[in-house]
Amino acid sequence: AQSVTQLGSHVSVSEGALVLLRCNYSSSVPPYLFWYVQYPNQGLQLLLKYTSAATLVKGINGFEAEFKKSETSFHLTKPSAHMSDAAEYFCAVSFNAGGTSYGKLTFGQGTILTVHP
Amino acid sequence: NAGVMQNPRHLVRRRGQEARLRCSPMKGHSHVYWYRQLPEEGLKFMVYLQKENIIDESGMPKERFSAEFPKEGPSILRIQQVVRGDSAAYFCASSPPRTYNEQFFGPGTRLTVL
Repeated sequence: AQSVTQLGSHVSVSEGALVLLRCNYSSSVPPYLFWYVQYPNQGLQLLLKYTSAATLVKGINGFEAEFKKSETSFHLTKPSAHMSDAAEYFCAVSFNAGGTSYGKLTFGQGTILTVHP
Repeated sequence: NAGVMQNPRHLVRRRGQEARLRCSPMKGHSHVYWYRQLPEEGLKFMVYLQKENIIDESGMPKERFSAEFPKEGPSILRIQQVVRGDSAAYFCASSPPRTYNEQFFGPGTRLTVL
């Protein structure tokens, strides 16, 4: 079974500060990992994904994440927060088990990012 | 290339009525997923479909809920005899063949049951 834990349901940073959103996963097989962003009353937009290639993944809007197998983590970072980054962020995991589950995503509970001027 | 389309965006039903939610995947995508976002519960997988086939419905409630993805037309998520606990945002996602793990989400349908 797979699971995702996002540490911190709310994170608050100042504009220009480092953004760090934490995600730990549990998976019995090599995972595929994703970060999605959701703005109020909108759908989810893919920020970045890890699918067993480079462990440091760069995404849109200046975000990046590093896959650390030893720590079962996939934390999301951005060097300098912008007001427009305020949204809810979801970490998700899936895997291809050669016939079962396919791309079903298991999501974390989400982290609401607030950016202060 | 238009994104994933869902309609209606907002749907209000009274208890006991039926709700039909529609999802048109992106062009060229043959895989459709439905997720539900309940208040305070996060996003949960409901069902995964390919054209004319249900592949995985492990997240679907056993009663009142059904989904289809016909050969022609959008995917439909149907909720019969809605109850207040069905009030949620329902998201559809699609992915292309052989890229199962990259899903593109629609804007969602927000169902309110009075």
